[in-house]
Amino acid sequence: SAVISQKPSRDICQRGTSLTIQCQVDSQVTMMFWYRQQPGQSLTLIATANQGSEATYESGFVIDKFPISRPNLTFSTLTVSNMSPEDSSIYLCSVDRGRSNEQFFGPGTRLTVL
Amino acid sequence: QKEVEQNSGPLSVPEGAIASLNCTYSDRVSQSFFWYRQYSGKSPELIMSIYSNGDKEDGRFTAQLNKASQYVSLLIRDSQPSDSATYLCAVNIKGDDKIIFGKGTRLHILP
Repeated sequence: SAVISQKPSRDICQRGTSLTIQCQVDSQVTMMFWYRQQPGQSLTLIATANQGSEATYESGFVIDKFPISRPNLTFSTLTVSNMSPEDSSIYLCSVDRGRSNEQFFGPGTRLTVL
Repeated sequence: QKEVEQNSGPLSVPEGAIASLNCTYSDRVSQSFFWYRQYSGKSPELIMSIYSNGDKEDGRFTAQLNKASQYVSLLIRDSQPSDSATYLCAVNIKGDDKIIFGKGTRLHILP
């Protein structure tokens, strides 16, 4: 597996503001992923982040709302921009260490937007 | 539309019995199959991966894959109250980097 940390672990934000979530891995990985999990729901993939290239967004998610950075092989950030209460969710990063698509998840960031 | 289907539950199983969790998937080109366990308030934890037809055992867990029927299952033997969680089935499509998650089955082990 991998040791993955996320910051912040939780936050309460005001409508219209932005929050940047950090994901740090203990070793170099090629693929990093960002998910959203709304209360009582399964995981929804937001985007795939490869180092050195633009993130690939899933249908329904756009770069202006969820800009992603991937400056190196151990770190990525997801920004939730111009937040509304509908963005209240748990945001999770995961990594693929190149072993048959197994993904390992960080502890998540619980976001509440008032 | 690539889909992964699970019964949402809750599935209630007496302590010590076998819990059987099922998952079907729609895309025949699927090549990798995963079971994740998620406790309330925690992130998903990978517990089993299976890539070829048949059974794969790891401790009290057995994953079963039948590609012809597009079906993957997870058996938990000697169920314990600590097994109470949501179990997510996930599938990787050949040639794709991402995995697709089912909605999960809530399992409740009755003491």
